[in-house]
Amino acid sequence: EAQVTQNPRYLITVTGKKLTVTCSQNMNHEYMSWYRQDPGLGLRQIYYSMNVEVTDKGDVPEGYKVSRKEKRNFPLILESPSPNQTSLYFCASTTSAREEQYFGPGTRLTVT
Amino acid sequence: AQSVTQLGSHVSVSEGALVLLRCNYSSSVPPYLFWYVQYPNQGLQLLLKYTSAATLVKGINGFEAEFKKSETSFHLTKPSAHMSDAAEYFCAVSVGDSSYKLIFGSGTRLLVRP
Repeated sequence: EAQVTQNPRYLITVTGKKLTVTCSQNMNHEYMSWYRQDPGLGLRQIYYSMNVEVTDKGDVPEGYKVSRKEKRNFPLILESPSPNQTSLYFCASTTSAREEQYFGPGTRLTVT
Repeated sequence: AQSVTQLGSHVSVSEGALVLLRCNYSSSVPPYLFWYVQYPNQGLQLLLKYTSAATLVKGINGFEAEFKKSETSFHLTKPSAHMSDAAEYFCAVSVGDSSYKLIFGSGTRLLVRP
């Protein structure tokens, strides 16, 4: 089954404790992206990757890091989480700008 | 800069009534336009997309949208609402073949009254 998986689905952590949210896709897509969803703001792009070792900032990259060492994986790293990073995070992948983006199930992060 | 505006953060309709969710975009290049739906506690799934072919686009679950360049609109409609249509709907624009960036509107939550 074609899918994007994210782990963990739920995470509660404390300010400053480094964490990683994993994302994996099994569709051989070149393009992957991370979004955060906040009420009233829709989804905003954090980082994206157009291929292995090629990443770039989206609209809200501050406080986040990413890496793309393998085509299928695109982890999101929060080196020092803060409460304003409490949000719902989605990973997505696609083949081209005119095609559907496939979204993971989401990771709900709470930073206290 | 490209942007998407969805009018109405909440829309409430009776079961069987027409559903109309509004989306206006701004783009300096011909856009690719999408409607995604998010059911409670789930990720987003594609309803339909416009990629410069037919201006009237049909999607899943009886939804359709019409691309109107003169009005820079891509409104989503469904003739008869069903209780299962209750969800949040997002309009999004992709800004050209060389950019994979997807810009989302703020979303419209559809409530369906019995």
